[in-house]
Amino acid sequence: KNEVEQSPQNLTAQEGEFITINCSYSVGISALHWLQQHPGGGIVSLFMLSSGKKKHGRLIATINIQEKHSSLHITASHPRDSAVYICAVRPVSGGGADGLTFGKGTHLIIQP
Amino acid sequence: DGGITQSPKYLFRKEGQNVTLSCEQNLNHDAMYWYRQDPGQGLRLIYYSQIVNDFQKGDIAEGYSVSREKKESFPLTVTSAQKNPTAFYLCASSFRELNTGELFFGEGSRLTVL
Repeated sequence: KNEVEQSPQNLTAQEGEFITINCSYSVGISALHWLQQHPGGGIVSLFMLSSGKKKHGRLIATINIQEKHSSLHITASHPRDSAVYICAVRPVSGGGADGLTFGKGTHLIIQP
Repeated sequence: DGGITQSPKYLFRKEGQNVTLSCEQNLNHDAMYWYRQDPGQGLRLIYYSQIVNDFQKGDIAEGYSVSREKKESFPLTVTSAQKNPTAFYLCASSFRELNTGELFFGEGSRLTVL
């Protein structure tokens, strides 16, 4: 069974700090998604990765396929970054059009 | 602007009643999905549809039903057979091959059974 583990579960930091959220998974994958869930519940897709590194503004996502690990970094964190960050993976073996397995999320709070 | 619209945002239901959650997208996406989110758990797939007039059960389909009569619409009915329906429901869509595209989500619908 494919497992997706995120760490930490909860993270509180001060404004301006560099934030790292980790995601580990147990099977070979074809893609990994990083999602952001706002306090109201809506979810926004941040990145989709299959290799290497992607950057968007202050957000950076990296993936190491061999180590089955991905990280999401936030530079110069701001209170508006407070949200739940969710990692989701799609196994190579498929399992349907969805086939996504989701982590439980990391609840991030950035204090002013 | 393109996006996914879910309604209602909040819904209260008495036990024994069926309720239908609406999901509409104007992104021209082929694939649509319904997920359930419970506290402390990852999202779980209820149903998905890759094309009009076709849909497949996900991991937790029991007690739910869907239809896909139009490309833009994928309503979810929570039936009285669903034993624990109180949850947050999220609709999503993508181009058919997830490997080549992002997943877009709606704002969610929170269902509470009284």
